[in-house]
Amino acid sequence: GIQVEQSPPDLILQEGANSTLRCNFSDSVNNLQWFHQNPWGQLINLFYIPSGTKQNGRLSATTVATERYSLLYISSSQTTDSGVYFCAVDSNYQLIWGAGTKLIIKP
Amino acid sequence: DTAVSQTPKYLVTQMGNDKSIKCEQNLGHDTMYWYKQDSKKFLKIMFSYNNKELIINETVPNRFSPKSPDKAHLNLHINSLELGDSAVYFCASSHGTPRREQYFGPGTRLTVT
Repeated sequence: GIQVEQSPPDLILQEGANSTLRCNFSDSVNNLQWFHQNPWGQLINLFYIPSGTKQNGRLSATTVATERYSLLYISSSQTTDSGVYFCAVDSNYQLIWGAGTKLIIKP
Repeated sequence: DTAVSQTPKYLVTQMGNDKSIKCEQNLGHDTMYWYKQDSKKFLKIMFSYNNKELIINETVPNRFSPKSPDKAHLNLHINSLELGDSAVYFCASSHGTPRREQYFGPGTRLTVT
């Protein structure tokens, strides 16, 4: 089946820093979604981005489907950005999830 | 208004018991899901269901069964609970297929003792 790899597994930054999270996938996909799981466990859909670039405030995402990767950019990090960021791709009508990037933003 | 809700939020029970987790969505979606998140935060699809089709992840034991009284509800029933069932269970929904954006409930932390 399709493999989804995220990097880095862990990231610790100071407030105000920028970061780039990467998601690689092993086969062509019909969609890709980015999620944020906050420290209280809530999963929030950030982007639905099968291809191209989208922006939402300080967050943006780019998916290059032909090269099988997606990037999530976080600018001017805030402590509320802490948590785990997951990418998930559609394979045979089911979402296959990466292992996540755990982000800690220090004040 | 809560889009996807689950009850209970926490569930502690003994091995061998049967339990249910309820899920409701008010988004008007027609597809709902159950996911299991283990202690290492790894998320795995268990079921996806709409009024036409139930898709079961082949790795899910048949002690787990989804029950949908209507389009807005998908409950998870678990028989003969085992220690390894301890995890956080998330319900989600989307409009149409899993290829559309999915919205998640707050999760139910199940602890089997």
